Amino acid sequence: DAKTTQPNSMESNEEEPVHLPCNHSTISGTDYIHWYRQLPSQGPEYVIHGLTSNVNNRMASLAIAEDRKSSTLILHRATLRDAAVYYCIPVRGGGGADGLTFGKGTHLIIQP
Amino acid sequence: DAGITQSPRHKVTETGTPVTLRCHQTENHRYMYWYRQDPGHGLRLIHYSYGVKDTDKGEVSDGYSVSRSKTEDFLLTLESATSSQTSVYFCAISEVRLDYYEQYFGPGTRLTVT
Repeated sequence: DAKTTQPNSMESNEEEPVHLPCNHSTISGTDYIHWYRQLPSQGPEYVIHGLTSNVNNRMASLAIAEDRKSSTLILHRATLRDAAVYYCIPVRGGGGADGLTFGKGTHLIIQP
Repeated sequence: DAGITQSPRHKVTETGTPVTLRCHQTENHRYMYWYRQDPGHGLRLIHYSYGVKDTDKGEVSDGYSVSRSKTEDFLLTLESATSSQTSVYFCAISEVRLDYYEQYFGPGTRLTVT
């Protein structure tokens, strides 16, 4: 399984953009990069995923390095509700539904 | 929330007693999972199921068994609970898309073994 490295914690101010980095230098060519987040006292929730191209959805943007060894989750305008632990997870492509391998993630703190 | 409920939400039990946690889903998903989460750690996979009566072990399956006799229910059993099984347990389903899948998680069950 591909290993990921994320900062233990990051802090940002409300209404400012947040860039959450993830290093996944051992990712295989068919692995997708998924991001999940876990709000306090809740189960994780899916945020976004990508393979090679940058991706946008209503929650966030995902920027993937050209060599796919790293990616950055971008929250364009953080709110207090975005305070959570963010997990970067390589996920095998090609179907099936394997369990997810969570690391320790990045604890994002949002200051008002 | 993908229609996932877990019961009970909280349980305190004594060492050596059997415990069964239930995960119920209402949307006919094929894949279901049980994870545990301990302080300062991400989730770790215990067991998973890819259909009725089809289950397999995850990373931390020792001391746990599962059963899935109906699509909607996935049961996790601790045959003889130990203090090391004090944890928060999350159930999840996979919503399979064309070439990827998203997992949706239940609210969790906080289990304390004294």
